[in-house]
This record gives sequence, structure tokens and C-alpha cells, in this order.
Amino acid sequence: AQSVTQLDSQVPVFEEAPVELRCNYSSSVSVYLFWYVQYPNQGLQLLLKYLSGSTLVKGINGFEAEFNKSQTSFHLRKPSVHISDTAEYFCAVSTNSGGSNYKLTFGKGTLLTVNP
Amino acid sequence: DVKVTQSSRYLVKRTGEKVFLECVQDMDHENMFWYRQDPGLGLRLIYFSYDVKMKEKGDIPEGYSVSREKKERFSLILESASTNQTSMYLCASSLIGAGSYEQYFGPGTRLTVT
Repeated sequence: AQSVTQLDSQVPVFEEAPVELRCNYSSSVSVYLFWYVQYPNQGLQLLLKYLSGSTLVKGINGFEAEFNKSQTSFHLRKPSVHISDTAEYFCAVSTNSGGSNYKLTFGKGTLLTVNP
Repeated sequence: DVKVTQSSRYLVKRTGEKVFLECVQDMDHENMFWYRQDPGLGLRLIYFSYDVKMKEKGDIPEGYSVSREKKERFSLILESASTNQTSMYLCASSLIGAGSYEQYFGPGTRLTVT
């Protein structure tokens, strides 16, 4: 079974500082990896995804993530955060549930709080 | 623009009531999903459907059922609501096929069972 571990449940940072949100996954087969963001009282929105090819993936709002197969990691980074980046971030791995059906397995989330 | 809508943002029900949560997508997606979200537990899959009238259990189906009579609509049913079903419920949809397809989420329904 697939699993996703987000190593930090909360990450407080100051505005304009860099941030890294860590994600490790377990899988015995090829995976598709995703980062979603959830702003307060909203649904989830896709930040970026890794399918294949370049291990450095760029997403919206200045975020990027690096896929590391040997370490089974997919850490999310931003060089300079803003107050508006305060949100909960979820890492997810796509798994095959049979035939052409896929479902996402989510980590438990990391709450990023950006302070002035 | 991609759109997934949920019938209510906030809902308060009493223990034992039958509760219907509705989700509609306008993207002609084959797959639809229901999750519940609880603090510290992330998103957990309740049920999903990959076609009309088709459904599969997710990780936590107990106490829930679903209905998909039309492609665009996926309903979550709590036959007899209990206080431990107080939670945020999120609906999502995606294309069928390669797992590279992202899921699109609705805004969520915060259900309180008293």
C-alpha cells in the first residue's frame, strides 16, 4: 500500500524567508506526485505535480518541488514567502486502484504560517 | 473554468437524521470522489465512482453510502448521522485513465452533528 508522510505538521516562518515543506512517500512502482494548497475555508487547489522527466517541478505562486527517487522524497520549496502563503499544504501520491482507475493518497498536511 | 460545487457550505443536523451531501461537476469527468477532512488526519477517502452507477469503497466507508445516477452528480449519504461524523466533507472529480490527471475540488461542506 502507498503512504505519504509529511514530516512537519506546522511550519512557522517570517515573511520573505525561504521555506521547505517535507514529504516522503512509499511506493514500489512508478508514481505521480502532487502538492495541493488549502486556504482557510476553501477546497484544495493544485500547486504542482510531478509526472516524469525533469526532477525539478515549478508550480504556481513561485513554489517548486524536487523529486528524489533514491530518497523517495518530494519536498516543496519557496525562496521567499508572503503573508498570503499562509495555508495548509498537502502532499499526495497517485496510486492505481485497479484497471485504469487511480486515486490519491494524501499526507496529513503541513500548516504554513507566515508571520510579519 | 473548471467547477465543482457542493450543495451547502455549512450544515447542522441532529443525531439519527438522514443526511444528503450533493456534489456537481461541469467538466464531464468520469471520476468523482468523496473525502472527509479532520485536523491532524488529512484527507481520507470515503467512496469514489468511476462511472454512472459504479462505486468503490475508499478507506473509511463505514456509516456512509453514495449514489451516482448522472455523470455530473455524486451524492454522499449518511443513513443515520452520528456525532463522530462531524467533519469537513470535500468532493472532487478527475478524468479517468493515467494517474497523472489532477483532482479538482469543491469548496467543502462543514457538517456538524449534534
